[in-house]
Amino acid sequence: NAGVMQNPRHLVRRRGQEARLRCSPMKGHSHVYWYRQLPEEGLKFMVYLQKENIIDESGMPKERFSAEFPKEGPSILRIQQVVRGDSAAYFCASSPRPGDTEAFFGQGTRLTVV
Amino acid sequence: GENVEQHPSTLSVQEGDSAVIKCTYSDSASNYFPWYKQELGKGPQLIIDIRSNVGEKKDQRIAVTLNKTAKHFSLHITETQPEDSAVYFCAASIIFSDNNDMRFGAGTRLTVKP
Repeated sequence: NAGVMQNPRHLVRRRGQEARLRCSPMKGHSHVYWYRQLPEEGLKFMVYLQKENIIDESGMPKERFSAEFPKEGPSILRIQQVVRGDSAAYFCASSPRPGDTEAFFGQGTRLTVV
Repeated sequence: GENVEQHPSTLSVQEGDSAVIKCTYSDSASNYFPWYKQELGKGPQLIIDIRSNVGEKKDQRIAVTLNKTAKHFSLHITETQPEDSAVYFCAASIIFSDNNDMRFGAGTRLTVKP
């Protein structure tokens, strides 16, 4: 059973471009969480999704950021018109249905905006 | 929503000494408290967790204690080794609910000096 897979591991974008970060949860996991980690800072919650539903997006900036977790395929975190302040490591985690507790993290995608 | 505070932000100990990291949480409904270790360039990895129905849990050199009344929990690492050097994050969530998103502390950078 492969772990949580994130790709790409590193992504460089120019200001104004779009960034797409992908997260494939562990097999059987239907809950996905996205976190942002700024340099020398902790993990900041962004969004919590179940298949085809956004459950909690209270940590997501209201503009330029969106997330989805379609019925088939990976979860996507999309950042439009990136700015330098978007440079960070983005981690996703997945967990099984409610009642199971452990969340497993991917290796992260390091986004650099130049 | 849940707010998790973690102290200290940095901790330096001599090899063989003990290290203690403390966290407090705000939502009395939280009932699951995991600890994650993040090594450089990697995603957070679960090292130990505790549920609200127990006060202490041990796994070799690592232990976690929970005080539900005071709403704080701590990570204890005994006989520290240089490979324990990493950033440690505490988290709190509510399991067995429809919304089990997890909120993290800001992290503690532990350095174990040989």
